[in-house]
Amino acid sequence: AQSVTQLGSHVSVSEGALVLLRCNYSSSVPPYLFWYVQYPNQGLQLLLKYTTGATLVKGINGFEAEFKKSETSFHLTKPSAHMSDAAEYFCAVSTSGGSYIPTFGRGTSLIVHP
Amino acid sequence: GAGVSQTPSNKVTEKGKYVELRCDPISGHTALYWYRQSLGQGPEFLIYFQGTGAADDSGLPNDRFFAVRPEGSVSTLKIQRTERGDSAVYLCASSFNGNTEAFFGQGTRLTVV
Repeated sequence: AQSVTQLGSHVSVSEGALVLLRCNYSSSVPPYLFWYVQYPNQGLQLLLKYTTGATLVKGINGFEAEFKKSETSFHLTKPSAHMSDAAEYFCAVSTSGGSYIPTFGRGTSLIVHP
Repeated sequence: GAGVSQTPSNKVTEKGKYVELRCDPISGHTALYWYRQSLGQGPEFLIYFQGTGAADDSGLPNDRFFAVRPEGSVSTLKIQRTERGDSAVYLCASSFNGNTEAFFGQGTRLTVV
C-alpha cells in the first residue's frame, strides 16, 4: 500500500521568506513522487516530480524538492515566497505495486503575507 | 487537444437525478483517471482506465457510480440516483502510458440539491 502524509494543513509565511511544505510517504517499493499546486477553482498543476536519478529535483516557479529515502520524505521548498505562491499544494505518490495510480495527501494551504 | 478538458464545469442537479460528467484527455494518452475532491481534502481516487478497459475501479464508492471509455479516448462518469453527499469536484486526469505524471483537467463541480 502507498500513502502520503502532509504535515500542516496551513503554512503561513511572509513575502520573501523561505517556503517549506512537508511531505512524508509510505511505500514498500521505490516510489514516484509528485508535488501539485491548485489555485482556487482550478485543476491541479504539476510543480515537479521525482522518478529515478538525482534526488534533488527542480520544478516550475522556483520550487524544488529533495527525495530522502532514509527519511521517507519529499519536502517542497522555495527560497523566497511571492504573493502569487498562495495556493493549495498537494504531494502525491505512485508505485508499481499500485499500478502507478497517484495517491494524494490532504493538501497544505500556503498563505503569503505582504 | 492541448490539455484535459472536462464538461460541464458546473452542474447542479436535484437529489435522485442521473448525471453524466465528461472528460476529454490529452490526445495520445492511454491512461485516464477519475478523482473526487471534497472541500478541504485531497483528490480521492475513483477509477483508472488503461485504454478502453477499467484497470482499477476500486475507488468507486458504490454501484451508483459507473464510468466508461468506449473508444479509449473520451470518458464519461455516470452517477445514478444522486445524493447530497455526492456533491464535490470531480477531477479527470490523463497520462501518456500510466507510469508518467498525470495531467489534470479543471474539474466539474457537482452540486446536488
